[in-house]
Amino acid sequence: QLQLQESGPGLVKPPETLSLTCTVSGGSISRSSYYWGWIRQPPGKGLEWIGSIYNSGSTNYNPSLKSRVSISVDTSKNQFSLKLNSVTASDTAVYYCARHWEYSGSSYMDVWGKGTTVTVSS
Amino acid sequence: QSVLTQPPSVSAAPGQKVTISCSGSSSNIGNNYVSWYQQFPGTAPKLLIFDNNQRPSGIPDRFSGSKSGTSATLGITGLQTGDEADYYCGTWDSSLSAGMVFGGGTKLTVL
Repeated sequence: QLQLQESGPGLVKPPETLSLTCTVSGGSISRSSYYWGWIRQPPGKGLEWIGSIYNSGSTNYNPSLKSRVSISVDTSKNQFSLKLNSVTASDTAVYYCARHWEYSGSSYMDVWGKGTTVTVSS
Repeated sequence: QSVLTQPPSVSAAPGQKVTISCSGSSSNIGNNYVSWYQQFPGTAPKLLIFDNNQRPSGIPDRFSGSKSGTSATLGITGLQTGDEADYYCGTWDSSLSAGMVFGGGTKLTVL
């Protein structure tokens, strides 16, 4: 059974860099035809896709965050990571990692991590 | 302001049917597949419907999805109190600002 688990600091100071890692268990990132994505949800608000990465390292990013975001993959550790720089209070959110199917107009997240809360505050 | 528009809330009595709409444009819903997610407070979203009307294994057939033009609809029949949750639609947007987009979410209340 595929499981995803987010990890990283729960508090980040502005304007530092938010760094999170998603560890995948029960399946291999390198042998998968899926993308692996990050989604966030500010308190009391809806879902926002941040970006996704394929096992080859190919990435797609939300255009509104693209200038501040970097997603990388480490297939040897079965992990993928998110870096969001120059954070402000508006980046405070629950951050989810998820398996992301994206092909020929079909796009959905079918397995999600439990989420991790990140607060941006000095 | 979300790219996809959903009603903020809907309500219905137990046993009844409810529909939740999701409106977009030709660059997203009009030319791509729609997915739906269910989220209970404090938990991660769960995939309910993918590719407009397909249910993942384990999702009961009380949940259904449809798409027409630039709009999509989630239907839930035989409402149960346990269905009370937030529901989100999602799809790929193929415009110059390409990427995965979601609706603002709909709070379902089972009266």
